[in-house]
Amino acid sequence: KQEVTQIPAALSVPEGENLVLNCSFTDSAIYNLQWFRQDPGKGLTSLLLIQSSQREQTSGRLNASLDKSSGRSTLYIAASQPGDSATYLCAVMTTDSWGKLQFGAGTQVVVTP
Amino acid sequence: KAGVTQTPRYLIKTRGQQVTLSCSPISGHRSVSWYQQTPGQGLQFLFEYFSETQRNKGNFPGRFSGRQFSNSRSEMNVSTLELGDSALYLCASSLEGFTTGELFFGEGSRLTVL
Repeated sequence: KQEVTQIPAALSVPEGENLVLNCSFTDSAIYNLQWFRQDPGKGLTSLLLIQSSQREQTSGRLNASLDKSSGRSTLYIAASQPGDSATYLCAVMTTDSWGKLQFGAGTQVVVTP
Repeated sequence: KAGVTQTPRYLIKTRGQQVTLSCSPISGHRSVSWYQQTPGQGLQFLFEYFSETQRNKGNFPGRFSGRQFSNSRSEMNVSTLELGDSALYLCASSLEGFTTGELFFGEGSRLTVL
């Protein structure tokens, strides 16, 4: 059974610092891994998707890496801004379950001005 | 291009009632998934539909059901509501086949059971 863990559960950083969010999963038979952002009371916004054959993806200030062999992914957010304050979730889709994402519990991020 | 649309956005029900939530996927997306989000359990998978067929189901009681129509729109129903069913219900859609498998989520339907 796939289990996804996110560490830390929460972190607070001053504006301008780089953010490092960690995600680990137990079953390496994944189809993809997605990182999402969720603002309070809102739905999920897709940030980055890494397919199982890829090692990293980049979009603007965001960079996500994937190491299937160790069951880990890391989301880097460069030069954080107060608008980056949100909960960040990682989720994996295994190869035999299309449309079924297993989510971590999320990391709640606060960027202080 | 319109995103995933969920209705209603907010609703309040009492215990024992039933509720139906609706989801319209992104145009061209034929796979629709449903998730329940609560503070205690986080995001949990309910079920996934493709071409009007349920392909995957999460670990929820039979009170939770869904269906998909020929135009890919989907509904989920919860019967005999319990207080613990209070949650944000999220719908996601994706393309099928040899694609990235990226899921796109709606804003959710927030259900409060009194």
